[in-house]
Amino acid sequence: GAGVSQTPSNKVTEKGKYVELRCDPISGHTALYWYRQSLGQGPEFLIYFQGTGAADDSGLPNDRFFAVRPEGSVSTLKIQRTERGDSAVYLCASSLFGQGKYSGANVLTFGAGSRLTVL
Amino acid sequence: EDQVTQSPEALRLQEGESSSLNCSYTVSGLRGLFWYRQDPGKGPEFLFTLYSAGEEKEKERLKATLTKKESFLHITAPKPEDSATYLCAVQANIVQGNQGGKLIFGQGTELSVKP
Repeated sequence: GAGVSQTPSNKVTEKGKYVELRCDPISGHTALYWYRQSLGQGPEFLIYFQGTGAADDSGLPNDRFFAVRPEGSVSTLKIQRTERGDSAVYLCASSLFGQGKYSGANVLTFGAGSRLTVL
Repeated sequence: EDQVTQSPEALRLQEGESSSLNCSYTVSGLRGLFWYRQDPGKGPEFLFTLYSAGEEKEKERLKATLTKKESFLHITAPKPEDSATYLCAVQANIVQGNQGGKLIFGQGTELSVKP
């Protein structure tokens, strides 16, 4: 697509429930990133995919968070047993990083985010 | 540990009043420093990439500069439409494999320009 698409744009859930957030990256971008942004803060890195595999998952806060990208395009961020502290905007981004001979700095294109509210 | 600190947290200017935003960073070898703009309810939008100390880039009323420890975003004669949060981020040089793709962001500077 023309840009990074994220759904849903808003999700309200109850504490303890399971949620899935979807990201559709720019067509042809093999690198995909998930970030979390709390109010008044900058984006916090969660996980980075290169193709189908997670190249760096060092930002996932605990084992309740999991992300997949089975076909190297669309990615889903999954949060189990949600807690109130998980409330934030979850941003997805994609880029050309790691493709072929591309060696430039990594310019990320972000989606509009999915706002998660855990009651 | 790679780290980015931005100051001030918030800045209020009158239209036409020039100022600068600061981004201090520590990184294990800089591959690139990035400036993004973020409007309320939207994702960050790319503005500039800087690669080495002494480099400068301009876009309309914005000019970004880079030293070995910090970057400045200079705003000349700002207009109300420049109101947004400005984010600074760094990418470290690749250490091994595909590691090193991630950007580390600062907390942002919220800029408000009043007419």
